[in-house]
Amino acid sequence: GAVVSQHPSWVICKSGTSVKIECRSLDFQATTMFWYRQFPKQSLMLMATSNEGSKATYEQGVEKDKFLINHASLTLSTLTVTSAHPEDSSFYICSASPDSLTDTQYFGPGTRLTVL
Amino acid sequence: QKEVEQNSGPLSVPEGAIASLNCTYSDRGSQSFFWYRQYSGKSPELIMFIYSNGDKEDGRFTAQLNKASQYVSLLIRDSQPSDSATYLCAAGRNYGGATNKLIFGTGTLLAVQP
Repeated sequence: GAVVSQHPSWVICKSGTSVKIECRSLDFQATTMFWYRQFPKQSLMLMATSNEGSKATYEQGVEKDKFLINHASLTLSTLTVTSAHPEDSSFYICSASPDSLTDTQYFGPGTRLTVL
Repeated sequence: QKEVEQNSGPLSVPEGAIASLNCTYSDRGSQSFFWYRQYSGKSPELIMFIYSNGDKEDGRFTAQLNKASQYVSLLIRDSQPSDSATYLCAAGRNYGGATNKLIFGTGTLLAVQP
């Protein structure tokens, strides 16, 4: 149980284009999903908290107009990196919690984004 | 001061030994604590969580929490080469949302030598 999927697993794009990453909870409903970014040899950095049916909550320093988050259903959240630049190249990982009473987060397999 | 601190390692232990991983946190409002394992190039995988002071055992893993000292640890018994990974400690608390946020440490790299 508590399986989270992400698609695509990796993507290469040209500078200036937009990339959409999907995060799905496969066997549970998630009112809240989280989006993290991880640069090489660094820890996870929370970018935003995605809430079903409402606007995402972004962490300080994360541009909400650049990283668009949509949580359209209880099993799907999407992150769109708009006008991507090489410095946006990173490992993007989503997580979801199957139980709002606990903090336990289960992570998707991640999406490796490379912007040329 | 970082909110969640871990020694980056590497922590090297021989196969079959006990690996001891430590973590301290600064926010006394933290309510829950997690250990994740992350292999290189992969996403984190949940190992254990602990909410109450004391020990919690699950197979070869034991998590220990001391809220007074703001200290969390993970013991891995009978360490195997397959345990070689980065271990992330995380502390959770509510920041006003429906679900608590997790703050991660930078991780400790464990190397189990065959």
